[in-house]
Amino acid sequence: AQKITQTQPGMFVQEKEAVTLDCTYDTSDQSYGLFWYKQPSSGEMIFLIYQGSYDEQNATEGRYSLNFQKARKSANLVISASQLGDSAMYFCAMREGGDGNKLVFGAGTILRVKS
Amino acid sequence: DTEVTQTPKHLVMGMTNKKSLKCEQHMGHRAMYWYKQKAKKPPELMFVYSYEKLSINESVPSRFSPECPNSSLLNLHLHALQPEDSALYLCASSQARTVFYEQYFGPGTRLTVT
Repeated sequence: AQKITQTQPGMFVQEKEAVTLDCTYDTSDQSYGLFWYKQPSSGEMIFLIYQGSYDEQNATEGRYSLNFQKARKSANLVISASQLGDSAMYFCAMREGGDGNKLVFGAGTILRVKS
Repeated sequence: DTEVTQTPKHLVMGMTNKKSLKCEQHMGHRAMYWYKQKAKKPPELMFVYSYEKLSINESVPSRFSPECPNSSLLNLHLHALQPEDSALYLCASSQARTVFYEQYFGPGTRLTVT
């Protein structure tokens, strides 16, 4: 079974609007971390935001917030006030202790911001 | 500073060549990683070093040979590669191997095997 599922292969959003990228995960561990990365066409993987399994509050970093619903095992990324520079591939990823703390990625979502 | 550097940016090599990829970080991180990424796919873990010791090898063919000379440097030695090994090779580091630390990635080396 896939550990990280991103069901949106591609998304479009109008500049200055908010967009939500979906991510669901599967684990039986109590301790795990959830991460979002952005990969522009240049190739570099840019760390955006982190949510720990024990964190009560949703993580926020500037225009990025993570909508963490533990019971539903979802960790959606919300980007507010989209900018043209947000156009990129976005990966959701998880580290769980039961698997050697390896970082496992979802298939990714390509986001295109329209002007 | 969250910078991980990788050299070279691009590499073209023949199937009989020997080359090396280099990765460096000065964040004091004690875990370093090599990933392979094919176009439009997520990165796939190859190797993990923790405190300069190899802790995970994801059944990578022996034509890829990692080396961690010190806590700041990570090399990937390449020998007798195949065209299907052409990919983006990403290095990453994290403060430790636990689940609660993010990994910081370098810009990658685009490798083409001819």
